[in-house]
Amino acid sequence: AQSVTQLGSHVSVSEGALVLLRCNYSSSVPPYLFWYVQYPNQGLQLLLKYTSAATLVKGINGFEAEFKKSETSFHLTKPSAHMSDAAEYFCAVSDLRGSQGNLIFGKGTKLSVKP
Amino acid sequence: DSGVTQTPKHLITATGQRVTLRCSPRSGDLSVYWYQQSLDQGLQFLIQYYNGEERAKGNILERFSAQQFPDLHSELNLSSLELGDSALYFCASSVANSGRAGGGELFFGEGSRLTVL
Repeated sequence: AQSVTQLGSHVSVSEGALVLLRCNYSSSVPPYLFWYVQYPNQGLQLLLKYTSAATLVKGINGFEAEFKKSETSFHLTKPSAHMSDAAEYFCAVSDLRGSQGNLIFGKGTKLSVKP
Repeated sequence: DSGVTQTPKHLITATGQRVTLRCSPRSGDLSVYWYQQSLDQGLQFLIQYYNGEERAKGNILERFSAQQFPDLHSELNLSSLELGDSALYFCASSVANSGRAGGGELFFGEGSRLTVL
């Protein structure tokens, strides 16, 4: 069965510092992987996705993620944190068995940005 | 704005009651998904419909049911409500029935927050 593990339920960084949010996946087939962001009282918004093309994926708001098959990882990074990046971030894997299209989400990582 | 519309945004009800949550998918999307988000369980997939037919089931309780109508909007019915059903319920949509066919990403509404007292 496919699954996603996000290391660290809370991450705190200073404004301008590197953001690194960790995600490891388990999948018996080549996965599609996603990062979503959820701002307070809002729905989930797609940041970026990996669907077996380039292993380094660039997303919105300066975020990027690198697919590493050998490490079964898809960590999210941003070189310089901004106050507006404070939100909860979810890593997800697509359940590609048969005709299903649902995403399997990690528990989420809440990012705080200190001034 | 994702294009997915959910109503109501907030709902407060009592234990034992029944509620209906409504979702309108993005224009052109045939698949609708329902997710439950709670502090202890995180984001849990409940059920998927594609073009009016049930396509996949997740951790959906027997007290819960859903359907997708010919105009592609969907409703999630929650009955015999318990305190533990208090959560944020998200609807999401996608163009295809499967992740591999459709590129995989889902588009989420802003959710319906259910409080059971």
